[in-house]
Amino acid sequence: SQELEQSPQSLIVQEGKNLTINCTSSKTLYGLYWYKQKYGEGLIFLMMLQKGGEEKSHEKITAKLDEKKQQSSLHITASQPSHAGIYLCGAEIGGSQGNLIFGKGTKLSVKP
Amino acid sequence: GAGVSQSPSNKVTEKGKDVELRCDPISGHTALYWYRQSLGQGLEFLIYFQGNSAPDKSGLPSDRFSAERTGGSVSTLTIQRTQQEDSAVYLCASSPAVGRFYGYTFGSGTRLTVV
Repeated sequence: SQELEQSPQSLIVQEGKNLTINCTSSKTLYGLYWYKQKYGEGLIFLMMLQKGGEEKSHEKITAKLDEKKQQSSLHITASQPSHAGIYLCGAEIGGSQGNLIFGKGTKLSVKP
Repeated sequence: GAGVSQSPSNKVTEKGKDVELRCDPISGHTALYWYRQSLGQGLEFLIYFQGNSAPDKSGLPSDRFSAERTGGSVSTLTIQRTQQEDSAVYLCASSPAVGRFYGYTFGSGTRLTVV
């Protein structure tokens, strides 16, 4: 079974709308990372969350970590076409020995 | 270098041939990771290096896969007798060290197509 579940798998939103992507772990989280990937490119680091309750923002993207729920959410406010891509969460979980385990990603499309 | 460099960016090979994928990490990064991303799948961990040693090889899919790192820098992932199911994007990442809360910097990947 997948240790990191992302939802939704894909998302189409109208430009200007808000959206949320979730990442849930089946094991204890020790660190949660959000990356963005565009086709043919590598992963671009967005944010890292270390502590329960931590919240970080960069431009119009905000990520939160709920340690008790073993879950993180990524929220985009007033989405733009430049936000389109695949969002991946990666986490250090119990037993991963310092390696990041990744979810399958959420494909975001933003309609102009 | 300024970033993680991978070569080639694209590779098309015939089934049964051997391929070598190269990763040049950020200078000074002691940790290096290989992942595989297949169509519709997330990133599958393959192997990591701490310096020149690979403490964990459990992620390698089969004995056709091997990796080495020399001089604590460049790493090569070798796939012998390639199969069609090996087709994927192979991503390399480096980190200042192995351990919690060190972020990874990824390369742009090598897209391998086995025909």
